[in-house]
Amino acid sequence: ILNVEQSPQSLHVQEGDSTNFTCSFPSSNFYALHWYRWETAKSPEALFVMTLNGDEKKKGRISATLNTKEGYSYLYIKGSQPEDSATYLCASLSGSARQLTFGSGTQLTVLP
Amino acid sequence: EAQVTQNPRYLITVTGKKLTVTCSQNMNHEYMSWYRQDPGLGLRQIYYSMNVEVTDKGDVPEGYKVSRKEKRNFPLILESPSPNQTSLYFCASSFTSGGEQFFGPGTRLTVL
Repeated sequence: ILNVEQSPQSLHVQEGDSTNFTCSFPSSNFYALHWYRWETAKSPEALFVMTLNGDEKKKGRISATLNTKEGYSYLYIKGSQPEDSATYLCASLSGSARQLTFGSGTQLTVLP
Repeated sequence: EAQVTQNPRYLITVTGKKLTVTCSQNMNHEYMSWYRQDPGLGLRQIYYSMNVEVTDKGDVPEGYKVSRKEKRNFPLILESPSPNQTSLYFCASSFTSGGEQFFGPGTRLTVL
């Protein structure tokens, strides 16, 4: 089983603050790194799928970077809003590229 | 509407009573998988399928069976459920194993 770790486990920020969290994954045999947003009582929804070292992706106020050589990815949220409150999951695909392994997530609460 | 459906959404059952959770997708996806979500553990993959008649074990396959007779359907079978299978279950699909996963609405299972 691959170790995909996310930090912090949870965080509270004030509305308007910018924030970021980390996903670390095994760098050997890397294939892809996924980020998902999971709101309470809903299903996870994909934010980004990243494959190339140095890749940066952006969707509105949310962006992500990828370092496959050292095995980490950062997710950034600029100017957090209460509707950004959710659990953010990352998942790594490696080796045979058939099995996606999820981290346990970072639970973000944005206080108005 | 492109979607992944699961049934039932909620189920309370007793130890040893066989049950099936259905999963269906209408996006012509080749890759389908089942996950369970337990507090503090994130999403753990139970089984996955690369295509029709091709299934493989994920990280936590014990006590579960799957089948993939048609591309759109990927049922999860618990032959003899036990209380430690009480969990929230998600089915997901994607075009390929590396592509973004589309998740179903989840099935909350309680085994007494």
